[in-house]
Amino acid sequence: GNSVTQMEGPVTLSEEAFLTINCTYTATGYPSLFWYVQYPGEGLQLLLKATKADDKGSNKGFEATYRKETTSFHLEKGSVQVSDSAVYFCALSPPGGATNKLIFGTGTLLAVQP
Amino acid sequence: DVKVTQSSRYLVKRTGEKVFLECVQDMDHENMFWYRQDPGLGLRLIYFSYDVKMKEKGDIPEGYSVSREKKERFSLILESASTNQTSMYLCASSSPPGAEAFFGQGTRLTVV
Repeated sequence: GNSVTQMEGPVTLSEEAFLTINCTYTATGYPSLFWYVQYPGEGLQLLLKATKADDKGSNKGFEATYRKETTSFHLEKGSVQVSDSAVYFCALSPPGGATNKLIFGTGTLLAVQP
Repeated sequence: DVKVTQSSRYLVKRTGEKVFLECVQDMDHENMFWYRQDPGLGLRLIYFSYDVKMKEKGDIPEGYSVSREKKERFSLILESASTNQTSMYLCASSSPPGAEAFFGQGTRLTVV
């Protein structure tokens, strides 16, 4: 079946450090891939997305590249800020079908210290 | 600006009560979803709807039901609330397939 695996947290970094949060997926065909962010006390917001192999999604300094050969969609940012502290969710939307039921990873808590 | 609105941010209910969680979207989306979020478990799909009066079970439908009488509104019903239903509930909508989902701000439900 379809599934998403992302690295366990929490991830604790100092401000201006480099961030990588790993995400791998299992799916038949070519799913759409997403990263969502959840700030404390809030719902989820879309951070970036990619809909086909080799696409790179980017937003607010974050990037992720859709790698079909490694079934991965790792999230990166070159220099994190305290305001990036949040929970990050990797998700996929399976190909085909009339709906896009999103399948989520378990989330990774990022804590950035000044 | 697109919007998904959940009726309450915080709710406290007693065991055995019937609980209604309401969600409204203003984007004319066909698909609407109810997820439950628990620490260490991520988001789990309870029910979804792909059209008015149409619904399908998600991964954890037991103890829940849903209603979609109008396109913009999707209600989650806990028929008889239990303490193990204490959780954060998130509503989302999307359209078309492959597009991103938009989420409400969440309802934190405590059953005592």
